[in-house]
Amino acid sequence: AQKVTQAQTEISVVEKEDVTLDCVYETRDTTYYLFWYKQPPSGELVFLIRRNSFDEQNEISGRYSWNFQKSTSSFNFTITASQVVDSAVYFCAFRTPNDYKLSFGAGTTVTVRA
Amino acid sequence: GAVVSQHPSWVICKSGTSVKIECRSLDFQATTMFWYRQFPKQSLMLMATSNEGSKATYEQGVEKDKFLINHASLTLSTLTVTSAHPEDSSFYICSASYWEGETQYFGPGTRLLVL
Repeated sequence: AQKVTQAQTEISVVEKEDVTLDCVYETRDTTYYLFWYKQPPSGELVFLIRRNSFDEQNEISGRYSWNFQKSTSSFNFTITASQVVDSAVYFCAFRTPNDYKLSFGAGTTVTVRA
Repeated sequence: GAVVSQHPSWVICKSGTSVKIECRSLDFQATTMFWYRQFPKQSLMLMATSNEGSKATYEQGVEKDKFLINHASLTLSTLTVTSAHPEDSSFYICSASYWEGETQYFGPGTRLLVL
């Protein structure tokens, strides 16, 4: 069975600080997909990124960057120069090609103070 | 693209009544829709998966007679909470994907409060 662990329950930073969210997964599958979603206080889950297991390239999108390391089964997410609008719960999720269900981590609450 | 809406966003009802929540994919055809439940400060719990034109598949422990799901078209799925009780109060959120294996796009959620 797949398992996704987000060890950090809450992170509080001051605006403009960088913040890294950890995500570790467990699987015996060689092909799988990893996701990050953002859930602001309004409640809607916003899709941020999807990464396939065979693509280990790191990705940057504006102030967001993702570090995928198969060797350590980690898919970490960094917000650079954080802003108050980044305050949200961030979920890491996992899925295999044969199972359409998403396995979610427990989520990390990020609070960015002005 | 990939916008999913939910209606209503908030609903307050009396115990014993039924509540219907709609989930619509606005700019794409969703072969598969998912229904989740989320308690405060917790992660999402998958309740059921629905494919257009067929019966929903419920997760273990979810009462299918309690939570009726209908996916009648490629853009609409409904969740009906029948004979709602206070313990059904929760945040219900749907997601939609082009097909089962594709990325899920989530709706804004519906907060249900049963008095």
